[in-house]
Amino acid sequence: QVTLRESGPALVKPTQTLTLTCTFSGFSLSTPGMCVSWIRQPPGKALEWLARIDWDDAKYYSPSLRTRLSISKDTSKNQVVLTMTNMDPVDTGTYYCARIHVVGAPTVGFGYWGQGSLVTVSS
Amino acid sequence: QSALTQPPSVSGSPGQSVTISCTGTSSDVGGYNRVSWYQQPPGTAPKLMIYEVTSRPSGVPDRFSGSKSGNTASLTISGLQAEDEADYYCSSYTSSSTYVFGTGTKVTVL
Repeated sequence: QVTLRESGPALVKPTQTLTLTCTFSGFSLSTPGMCVSWIRQPPGKALEWLARIDWDDAKYYSPSLRTRLSISKDTSKNQVVLTMTNMDPVDTGTYYCARIHVVGAPTVGFGYWGQGSLVTVSS
Repeated sequence: QSALTQPPSVSGSPGQSVTISCTGTSSDVGGYNRVSWYQQPPGTAPKLMIYEVTSRPSGVPDRFSGSKSGNTASLTISGLQAEDEADYYCSSYTSSSTYVFGTGTKVTVL
């Protein structure tokens, strides 16, 4: 059974760096073709894709947030970590990690999601 | 990359059909058959309903169907049920190996 769970601070101050951890089970990020992404959703607004990391450590970022994001993995701990620098109140929202639906096919979308982690940016 | 364009809301009575459009560009929706659709009831994580334009994951009712013409993809819900009331988002893989989501559509069952 595939499960993902996000963890991290519920509150960060403006200009601080956010670090979120996605801990998963039921699959391995060392499996060829495996990918995990981070996606966020401001309150009452649409989903926004942030970043993706692949089994071979290939990394992809949203063009609009590329300079602020970093994604990494710890295969031994079954974790993916996202850091976002220079946080602003507009970054407030729920942050999800998600796994691709079909291994080896990153184009087909996200078939498994965590429950989300709500992050509020406020002084 | 700009968000894909969806209508803010659609509604229908139980048993009716509703269709949600999702308009992008030749760099995303129009370029490849890489469109997926997600259902998100309030307070829950999104759920994959359609992938590669027309394919349904196991367990998704066949009342949900997808299609595409040019730069516009569509999700149709036939035989609308009360449990279908939710927000729906389209998404496309892009030519830059990134993903873009739609603006979201609220489906209301009257």
